[in-house]
Amino acid sequence: KQEVTQIPAALSVPEGENLVLNCSFTDSAIYNLQWFRQDPGKGLTSLLLIQSSQREQTSGRLNASLDKSSGRSTLYIAASQPGDSATYLCAVSSDSWGKLQFGAGTQVVVTP
Amino acid sequence: AAGVIQSPRHLIKEKRETATLKCYPIPRHDTVYWYQQGPGQDPQFLISFYEKMQSDKGSIPDRFSAQQFSDYHSELNMSSLELGDSALYFCASSLKGITEAFFGQGTRLTVV
Repeated sequence: KQEVTQIPAALSVPEGENLVLNCSFTDSAIYNLQWFRQDPGKGLTSLLLIQSSQREQTSGRLNASLDKSSGRSTLYIAASQPGDSATYLCAVSSDSWGKLQFGAGTQVVVTP
Repeated sequence: AAGVIQSPRHLIKEKRETATLKCYPIPRHDTVYWYQQGPGQDPQFLISFYEKMQSDKGSIPDRFSAQQFSDYHSELNMSSLELGDSALYFCASSLKGITEAFFGQGTRLTVV
């Protein structure tokens, strides 16, 4: 059974620092991995999708890497801003049907 | 761009009542997913539909049922509501094979 773990559970950084969020999964036979952002009580916003054949994806200040063999993905957010404060969740799907298994998330606070 | 639309956004029901949640996927998306997110928890997969047929099933109580209609919108029906059903319910849609999931803003169900 796939298990997804995110470390740390919470992170506080001063504005301008780079953020590094980690995600690990126990079964390396994934179809893809997706990173989401969630503001309190709100929906999930898709940030990046990495297909299993890819090593990384980039979008603006965001960069996500995938090491399938070791069961790890890392989300980097460069030059953090207070508006980046949110919970970040990673999720994996095991096949093309797309059911997602989520990690518990990392709660990020960026202080001005 | 059109997003996933969920209605209602908030719903308050009494124990043992019935609730119906609606989801309108992104146009041309062929797959719809339902997730439940309890307070302080990560989203848990309930059920999914591909081209109006159930494609996968997760930890959905027998009191819950769902379907996808000819116009691709989906409804989650919840009967004999319990206090523990209070949660955020998310609908997501995607294209099978690409499986980048886009989530709606969710329906917050409160059972009193």
